[in-house]
Amino acid sequence: EPEVTQTPSHQVTQMGQEVILRCVPISNHLYFYWYRQILGQKVEFLVSFYNNEISEKSEIFDDQFSVERPDGSNFTLKIRSTKLEDSAMYFCASSEFMGYNSPLHFGNGTRLTVT
Amino acid sequence: EDKVVQSPLSLVVHEGDTVTLNCSYEVTNFRSLLWYKQEKKAPTFLFMLTSSGIEKKSGRLSSILDKKELFSILNITATQTGDSAVYLCAIRQGGSEKLVFGKGTKLTVNP
Repeated sequence: EPEVTQTPSHQVTQMGQEVILRCVPISNHLYFYWYRQILGQKVEFLVSFYNNEISEKSEIFDDQFSVERPDGSNFTLKIRSTKLEDSAMYFCASSEFMGYNSPLHFGNGTRLTVT
Repeated sequence: EDKVVQSPLSLVVHEGDTVTLNCSYEVTNFRSLLWYKQEKKAPTFLFMLTSSGIEKKSGRLSSILDKKELFSILNITATQTGDSAVYLCAIRQGGSEKLVFGKGTKLTVNP
């Protein structure tokens, strides 16, 4: 069964450094998402992306965050200057269609630790 | 204020037991409710519910939605140790693509 793949599985970085989290969505999917889960807390929406542009973003997704689809397969999340509170599990997800009738399929996540 | 409330937050049962997990929501313009199973890493999709009263079933798992009373249940019959996981409920509202998740129910199935 096709799956969403994320790399790396674990990233440790120092505060203030830039990180790029990478994702390969399922190949025929058109909608891409990033979510995060701080340890012990809920899964939270960050951003959705379609047709090479952001279609929706949350309050968490401030100017420190950006997303990009640099080629036909990868989808990346960049955090420009990491803070301690950015430590979390970051999940990439994709869906075949938009919205109500299409479930999201999640990758295994990248655990980001900011020291 | 939480829009999606799951109960119980944790549950410990023995293999073979039947469990019912609850998810209530309070949102405007509801569109769909989704259940996910989260073991150590990725939430894996279980069910998507959009209509009241129609049961979705997959093996020992089943789920139903009540749009009038604003809740859904996830049933697992004849539980196995492999069912141990956090079960997440999420809703989608009209006009938004995002899923809003509850805190999850941690299910532990002991042999």
